[in-house]
Amino acid sequence: NAGVTQTPKFQVLKTGQSMTLQCAQDMNHEYMSWYRQDPGMGLRLIHYSVGAGITDQGEVPNGYNVSRSTTEDFPLRLLSAAPSQTSVYFCASSPGTGARRTGELFFGEGSRLTVL
Amino acid sequence: AQKITQTQPGMFVQEKEAVTLDCTYDTSDPSYGLFWYKQPSSGEMIFLIYQGSYDQQNATEGRYSLNFQKARKSANLVISASQLGDSAMYFCAMRGIIQGAQKLVFGQGTRLTINP
Repeated sequence: NAGVTQTPKFQVLKTGQSMTLQCAQDMNHEYMSWYRQDPGMGLRLIHYSVGAGITDQGEVPNGYNVSRSTTEDFPLRLLSAAPSQTSVYFCASSPGTGARRTGELFFGEGSRLTVL
Repeated sequence: AQKITQTQPGMFVQEKEAVTLDCTYDTSDPSYGLFWYKQPSSGEMIFLIYQGSYDQQNATEGRYSLNFQKARKSANLVISASQLGDSAMYFCAMRGIIQGAQKLVFGQGTRLTINP
């Protein structure tokens, strides 16, 4: 069972470089999201999607772009990396309404990004 | 606004003792869900327990139970007979409606250390 797969697991960037964090899920979940985790701040929502072709901003969207062309994939793009984007990034998915525990998130293993 | 507060940045407990991790929440929605996740040093996010706002009984999952006090807006996690493997970061989260969409909001986390 693959679940939610994130790549890469580790990445070092220089300020100003761009990159894409990939996320794929094989559970046919409608909802997908990206969080960043920083010490003392818990997990904060960057962007989310409630279905293919639909995305919206979360709490900390600046500097990040997303798209959702298929149900399975939800990539996160950093357009011009900044040191403030050094963080651990989690992709998570959730079934739609009707699930036994509505809103439960299934997480990828995380991607540790360092911006120098 | 939806908010989750975990007031204990760190806790130290002797093995085999019970431990309570505090979580308070703020919401005006009548329907919401509360989750606890565990994050061991390896970094993955592991679902532990869920409580729906309309559930009559406190949730239990093995050694984990959720002390849900709706009037006080608290959802404390109780771990009975703690084990060394319980050492981890613990996050409380709430499902709520934010800007018209269901989202999961996380607290800052509590780092639990079990001493032998």
